[in-house]
Amino acid sequence: DIQMTQSPSTLSASVGDRVTITCRASQSISIWLAWYQQKPGKAPKLLIYKASSLESGVQSRFSGSGSGTEFTLTISSLQPDDFATYYCQQYNGYPYTFGQGTKLEIK
Amino acid sequence: EVQLVESGGGLVKPGGSLRLSCAASGFSFSNAWMSWVRQAPGKGLEWVGRIKSKTDGGTTDYPAPVKGRFTISRDDSKNTLYLQLNSLATEDTAVYYCTTRGAYDSSGYWGYWGQGTLLTVSS
Repeated sequence: DIQMTQSPSTLSASVGDRVTITCRASQSISIWLAWYQQKPGKAPKLLIYKASSLESGVQSRFSGSGSGTEFTLTISSLQPDDFATYYCQQYNGYPYTFGQGTKLEIK
Repeated sequence: EVQLVESGGGLVKPGGSLRLSCAASGFSFSNAWMSWVRQAPGKGLEWVGRIKSKTDGGTTDYPAPVKGRFTISRDDSKNTLYLQLNSLATEDTAVYYCTTRGAYDSSGYWGYWGQGTLLTVSS
């Protein structure tokens, strides 16, 4: 199975900050990576697919980059609504696997 | 508007069985590939299986932890997805979500999610 490792596990930041979350795959997954945002008690929300494609309706302050084994999710200017947990997910092959999550907290 | 509504969760004893349902609307369900994803309390997300549309073969795939115990099926006449869970263990306790990218899209990521249904396995 492809292991997905996110860093950091927890990130403290302030409104207006630029933040970056990293996701590493245990083997190359080309660009077959998605990012999700999840708030407590809610279903995940798709933000980015194919490593850098922004899902329709998602704010442009979210961006993704990377290929192969290293990927990043960047939020250019944090808004109060962005404090949540973020997950990466590979869909290069079965079984699909997720990172362990990065909790973005208010500093 | 796409809607996915899961039901059937509850409290089950270890070794027991349960069937979860996901009622779909707002898209061409019969042409959609559907997945189930679960989340144990306070933990991360785990994919538990996928079923293709019948036109694409209707086959299923599962990860090792659930293969042989969980079965995904679909009733396109009812626009409903099912997850049959057998030989349940305490580690199967989780919120179970059904997900899809929508019709005619076999992508392995999902823009539509239900609200989830909680399964608790405990004696």
